[in-house]
Amino acid sequence: SYVLTQPPSVSVAPGQTARITCGGNNIGIKRVHWYQQKPGQAPVLVVYDDSDRPSGIPERFSGSNSGNTATLTIGRVEAGDEADYYCQVWDNRSDHPVVFGGGTKLTVL
Amino acid sequence: EVQLVESGGVVKQPGGSLKLSCAATGFIFDDFTMHWVRQVPGKGLEWVSLISWDGARTYYADSVKGRFTISRDNSKNSLYLQMNSLRTEDTAFYYCAKSRLLHRLHSACHYWGQGTLVTVSS
Repeated sequence: SYVLTQPPSVSVAPGQTARITCGGNNIGIKRVHWYQQKPGQAPVLVVYDDSDRPSGIPERFSGSNSGNTATLTIGRVEAGDEADYYCQVWDNRSDHPVVFGGGTKLTVL
Repeated sequence: EVQLVESGGVVKQPGGSLKLSCAATGFIFDDFTMHWVRQVPGKGLEWVSLISWDGARTYYADSVKGRFTISRDNSKNSLYLQMNSLRTEDTAFYYCAKSRLLHRLHSACHYWGQGTLVTVSS
């Protein structure tokens, strides 16, 4: 089955740029979605289809996807961005097609 | 406003059965694929199952296949998860989620409920 690999943690100072990666075999041909989850809350979709943002998500959140790595980029990081972030893809060669990455804890220093 | 409200989470013994429900409001329920996603407290997200907008197609994670059954009642705007042969490793928060695009299996999970806690313990 398809595997998505995320770093367990990323740390960044306020005002800087955070980059969270999601690795997968030829992930560049898949559509990648990103979710933010704060403690005690349900996940929130922050980027879909590699680089699109749902309404209400700040422009500071952006995404890219190429080769074997997708990246969620958060510009001008704020304390409120501290959360767990998960990538997700659809694996159309599987009968259990929805795959989540293991998640990355973003710490704002 | 889209709202998803899960219910049915309780404490169950191993081997028991349980049915979760998810009540949906604020959108045309029978246009959208729906998902169940679970999360062991302190751990990551694990996709459990999905059902197409018309109920014709269902998919399951290997960890629950043969034990869990997803269903929906479009007349009641409700999603269900029948959980049989429960194991301790099924202990988790269970979230229902709405697909972003109508009449599509493959699209992001756009809206999520707040989750319901299932505890399997002797």
